[in-house]
Amino acid sequence: QKEVEQDPGPLSVPEGAIVSLNCTYSNSAFQYFMWYRQYSRKGPELLMYTYSSGNKEDGRFTAQVDKSSKYISLFIRDSQPSDSATYLCAMTRGYQKVTFGIGTKLQVIP
Amino acid sequence: DTAVSQTPKYLVTQMGNDKSIKCEQNLGHDTMYWYKQDSKKFLKIMFSYNNKELIINETVPNRFSPKSPDKAHLNLHINSLELGDSAVYFCASAPRAGVNTEAFFGQGTRLTVV
Repeated sequence: QKEVEQDPGPLSVPEGAIVSLNCTYSNSAFQYFMWYRQYSRKGPELLMYTYSSGNKEDGRFTAQVDKSSKYISLFIRDSQPSDSATYLCAMTRGYQKVTFGIGTKLQVIP
Repeated sequence: DTAVSQTPKYLVTQMGNDKSIKCEQNLGHDTMYWYKQDSKKFLKIMFSYNNKELIINETVPNRFSPKSPDKAHLNLHINSLELGDSAVYFCASAPRAGVNTEAFFGQGTRLTVV
């Protein structure tokens, strides 16, 4: 079993939809949780990070962590075609090594 | 100005060759990384350096040798290239060692071994 599981998709949604992206993990020692966005042929860029359980909101993006279920989510409201990208979850115990999910490819259709 | 820059962007080479990829960051960060993203898009850490010192060395063949001449540069040299080395290699940097919640990635070097 991989430490971090993420559905690779692809996920296609119409413009304006609410998108829900999810990851599960097996290592209960993970404390910091991140979401990266990667456009085609580009490097990943950090969208958000959260520490421990709870919600964090930034504009149209909301990150949610449920440590009891070992489940994290990223919600995108009012999705735009420019949101079309691969979204990678990532997590760390707080030391150097960050473990990434495989990424979910999202396509927002105008 | 590019924060994390890698050269070359594309690299096509034959099996058995030796090649290097260069990385530079102008963010003043202490920590730099090499990641490998395979054909299935799985991103996995290879090495991490903090202030020129190696702090993470994942299970990577010893044909891969990182070198950090100063904290703004981290190069990756690969000997005796194999077909399975074909991937996109990303350099990244982060402000400091310890909790790393934010890494800035370069654009990647797409290595194809033929």
